[in-house]
Amino acid sequence: TQLLEQSPQFLSIQEGENLTVYCNSSSVFSSLQWYRQEPGEGPVLLVTVVTGGEVKKLKRLTFQFGDARKDSSLHITAAQPGDTGLYLCAGLITQGGSEKLVFGKGTKLTVNP
Amino acid sequence: DAGVIQSPRHEVTEMGQEVTLRCKPISGHNSLFWYRQTMMRGLELLIYFNNNVPIDDSGMPEDRFSAKMPNASFSTLKIQPSEPRDSAVYFCASSLGRIRHNEQFFGPGTRLTVL
Repeated sequence: TQLLEQSPQFLSIQEGENLTVYCNSSSVFSSLQWYRQEPGEGPVLLVTVVTGGEVKKLKRLTFQFGDARKDSSLHITAAQPGDTGLYLCAGLITQGGSEKLVFGKGTKLTVNP
Repeated sequence: DAGVIQSPRHEVTEMGQEVTLRCKPISGHNSLFWYRQTMMRGLELLIYFNNNVPIDDSGMPEDRFSAKMPNASFSTLKIQPSEPRDSAVYFCASSLGRIRHNEQFFGPGTRLTVL
């Protein structure tokens, strides 16, 4: 059972379009992170959201943490081919007395020129 | 500055063979993480070290997997004997401190194929 469900799994759009990807769970997280991973490389942190309802912007990317800290969304405005990649969300939980990040399976985004 | 270094980048081996993956964390980082990524299960934490001490190994799949961190600049993940279901990309990551307040920096990964 996946603790974090990401949707859609795959998304292919044209340059200039807007898109939103989702990260959902029935669990509450201390914080939530979004990463982008390119082929042959490790994930790279984009943002961390901590407070329920928090919104953070990174250029054309807008990240929102749900009020109940169970879900998050990533919205990209005017997507560009350089946005192509695997977008992963990761929630911080405490399990067995230690903290750990649990990852969703990701949304694979392709932006066509 | 050098990031997290992993070797080898690709490993192809036969079932039953021993496999050793290596990681050099970013200098000065005192937390080190081993992850495994597959299409089916996504990215999963295998084990987490802090100051060279294993803190959480609950993600290690079974006794065939073992990890060591003999010093602050080197860690290994060993699989013995390897099985085809171990085929995956294995990532090492490091951070300045414990998980809550510090960014994890990932290496480029080792793609393991067990035939």
